[in-house]
Amino acid sequence: GQQLNQSPQSMFIQEGEDVSMNCTSSSIFNTWLWYKQDPGEGPVLLIALYKAGELTSNGRLTAQFGITRKDSFLNISASIPSDVGIYFCAGRSDQFYFGTGTSLTVIP
Amino acid sequence: DVKVTQSSRYLVKRTGEKVFLECVQDMDHENMFWYRQDPGLGLRLIYFSYDVKMKEKGDIPEGYSVSREKKERFSLILESASTNQTSMYLCASRGPDLGENIQYFGAGTRLSVL
Repeated sequence: GQQLNQSPQSMFIQEGEDVSMNCTSSSIFNTWLWYKQDPGEGPVLLIALYKAGELTSNGRLTAQFGITRKDSFLNISASIPSDVGIYFCAGRSDQFYFGTGTSLTVIP
Repeated sequence: DVKVTQSSRYLVKRTGEKVFLECVQDMDHENMFWYRQDPGLGLRLIYFSYDVKMKEKGDIPEGYSVSREKKERFSLILESASTNQTSMYLCASRGPDLGENIQYFGAGTRLSVL
């Protein structure tokens, strides 16, 4: 099945810095989702996006549904140590497709 | 809140054993999914089910089967476990098409086949 292109693959940042990651697809999606997965745990939904151009926030997290419907972005502001984990995107057209994840490390 | 519960967090099995992974959801969702997750490969769909007793193959169904006898329960079966089936297995469920377009995941089962 199709995998989404997610970048970067990994990030090492200082506590307090902002983080940006994105997902791109060759197909148009009608839904974009962002999940966070802690080590040894299942993915937990962070943000769901349903319309092109939509910008949605969840605390320090903000995600956007790209206007081309082929990409999405996740930003984390003022990172803290508990932001550590793997973030991955999912898009839905005829079925769900998943990115391979961005591993985030926050250095105190 | 949607709750998707996988019966085991960790399993260790021997090659050739028959393995059952159980998943239960409490939101009356029609659609349920089984994925495996491996480093560098992301999530790969094994099987999904859109109704009781209905199942569809995903991207990597070989070596697996599934059972959906009740709406809330979706079981993944490894008929004869092999070492290349060592992985993290994730169950997910999703509501009706006219409603939520979100998959909710369980906590995962980490399976080791020796």
